[in-house]
Amino acid sequence: GAVVSQHPSRVICKSGTSVKIECRSLDFQATTMFWYRQFPKKSLMLMATSNEGSKATYEQGVEKDKFLINHASLTLSTLTVTSAHPEDSSFYICSGGAGGRNEQFFGPGTRLTVL
Amino acid sequence: GENVEQHPSTLSVQEGDSAVIKCTYSDSASNYFPWYKQELGKGPQLIIDIRSNVGEKKDQRIAVTLNKTAKHFSLHITETQPEDSAVYFCAARGDYKLSFGAGTTVTVRA
Repeated sequence: GAVVSQHPSRVICKSGTSVKIECRSLDFQATTMFWYRQFPKKSLMLMATSNEGSKATYEQGVEKDKFLINHASLTLSTLTVTSAHPEDSSFYICSGGAGGRNEQFFGPGTRLTVL
Repeated sequence: GENVEQHPSTLSVQEGDSAVIKCTYSDSASNYFPWYKQELGKGPQLIIDIRSNVGEKKDQRIAVTLNKTAKHFSLHITETQPEDSAVYFCAARGDYKLSFGAGTTVTVRA
């Protein structure tokens, strides 16, 4: 299957700071990238969908000014959690999809802890 | 929107036995149904998928069946091994995004 990487795998930050998470498709061009959030023992919750070169589409209830998504190239998308607070602590996972194909390939996730 | 229900939430099986997880979906327009395996602290890994024009698909010890009329699909794992222990998610895709089930925690007892 296709490979998606995320960096960092873990990050701890102080409340009020911003954190950037990178998502890269290593061996395919991800025309669409998805960002999910997952709470312990829960399912994946879609936050937003981004197409390369376009603005991200956010799911209902997700603050676009707090979770900034950039998809500048076919292999890189970034999620920036701005002014992070403890309630933003979670497991963030990205996935990539190639144009015309159904499959989504997930990254290994990033564990964010906000103190 | 699409609503996917998954059962059971937990499943404990003896090594060598079979495991079956069932999912139902609500949107008859959904046409792609993947299954993911997620180990602790890791991202989901696609293990098998099925499209709406196919009723069954098998890959070694894993098989998926789809009943479009009833709007349900199932994952079957045969000859379970300890390394099959994980959380399994079903999903359904209609337009551009996946809707996930709540997950099944599978424990294979040695």
